[in-house]
Amino acid sequence: NAGVMQNPRHLVRRRGQEARLRCSPMKGHSHVYWYRQLPEEGLKFMVYLQKENIIDESGMPKERFSAEFPKEGPSILRIQQVVRGDSAAYFCASSPLALDRGSRRDFGPGTRLLVL
Amino acid sequence: DAKTTQPNSMESNEEEPVHLPCNHSTISGTDYIHWYRQLPSQGPEYVIHGLTSNVNNRMASLAIAEDRKSSTLILHRATLRDAAVYYCILRDNNNDMRFGAGTRLTVKP
Repeated sequence: NAGVMQNPRHLVRRRGQEARLRCSPMKGHSHVYWYRQLPEEGLKFMVYLQKENIIDESGMPKERFSAEFPKEGPSILRIQQVVRGDSAAYFCASSPLALDRGSRRDFGPGTRLLVL
Repeated sequence: DAKTTQPNSMESNEEEPVHLPCNHSTISGTDYIHWYRQLPSQGPEYVIHGLTSNVNNRMASLAIAEDRKSSTLILHRATLRDAAVYYCILRDNNNDMRFGAGTRLTVKP
């Protein structure tokens, strides 16, 4: 059973370009979470999505960042007009449950974004 | 989620037990105690979780104090592959899972 998959693993963009990060949750998981980890820092929650719905985007920057989890296909984290401060590792996690505080959350290997 | 306090770093010798402490004095009755670890250049990996009773799995043991204000992650025989940052997290909110600075474990051969 494949784990959470993320691609690309590494992404280089120039300032002003767009970055698209993809996350395929584990089979049977319909809840997806995105986190950002700046160098030498802990992970910070960004957004929680279920199929076709954004449930909690309290950790998302108000501008340039958006996320979706369509009925078919992977979840996408989109960063428009990237700036150097967007350089970070972006991790996706998935869960089979809506109320998962009593169960594990599986993480992907991350996408490392470098903005030149 | 309530706050946790962990030492910044710990060292261990290979094949010796490691006890990683976590203080969570403001824990509420519904908070689960979760441990994750992050190996270099990898995503976080689930280790173990519990609510009130001690827990064991193939990776580790979790010892929870009777008053639940602290817990200890126990690696019974550390290997070089256990070198990682270990995060103790309290889960009440189902969405946000707050990762603090964690404990960086170094395992010496």
